[in-house]
Amino acid sequence: KAGVTQTPRYLIKTRGQQVTLSCSPISGHRSVSWYQQTPGQGLQFLFEYFSETQRNKGNFPGRFSGRQFSNSRSEMNVSTLELGDSALYLCASSFDNQGATEAFFGQGTRLTVV
Amino acid sequence: AQRVTQPEKLLSVFKGAPVELKCNYSYSGSPELFWYVQYSRQRLQLLLRHISRESIKGFTADLNKGETSFHLKKPFAQEEDSAMYYCALSGRDSGTYKYIFGTGTRLKVLA
Repeated sequence: KAGVTQTPRYLIKTRGQQVTLSCSPISGHRSVSWYQQTPGQGLQFLFEYFSETQRNKGNFPGRFSGRQFSNSRSEMNVSTLELGDSALYLCASSFDNQGATEAFFGQGTRLTVV
Repeated sequence: AQRVTQPEKLLSVFKGAPVELKCNYSYSGSPELFWYVQYSRQRLQLLLRHISRESIKGFTADLNKGETSFHLKKPFAQEEDSAMYYCALSGRDSGTYKYIFGTGTRLKVLA
């Protein structure tokens, strides 16, 4: 079955703009999580959605938001972009984030803010 | 607070040498522990989980609840083991499960 798909793969935006990233989970997976990956900070958890509801949230400012649709596809939005938002954004899906459930990752969207 | 600590950002070893990637966690209950790996230009993927007690690609990890550690070990490193390794914890917090990743350790296996 198809893996987790993230679009677009690469984005270049200027400061102050906003951006929307998309994630299509593995068919049947209802949990979708978003992470920011940077060389200095590693993987930082943004938020998790399950059945269209935000179930968990990391420590990111309100400029970072997300949503999940009825087909489990998820979008992440970043408004008023800052240079420090440049990172690889990863999406992970799992059948349900309960206990020892494997998370399947997409290839990520590389966002560069100039 | 729940936390996963990987003290080494970079670990360099020679081919054939033993490898130990350290992972310590802080969690009040009984967590599930995982190791994920990211090879160059590939997506992050599960390497092993403690509940399976398996050996994958020669790697093993033992959960030590007394020391709250889940170190990843391999007796003889190979060049293809060079990658970014993340330790992760899944545990219940305020009624829901959360996945927490460490900051990662880059392993470089030198020829």
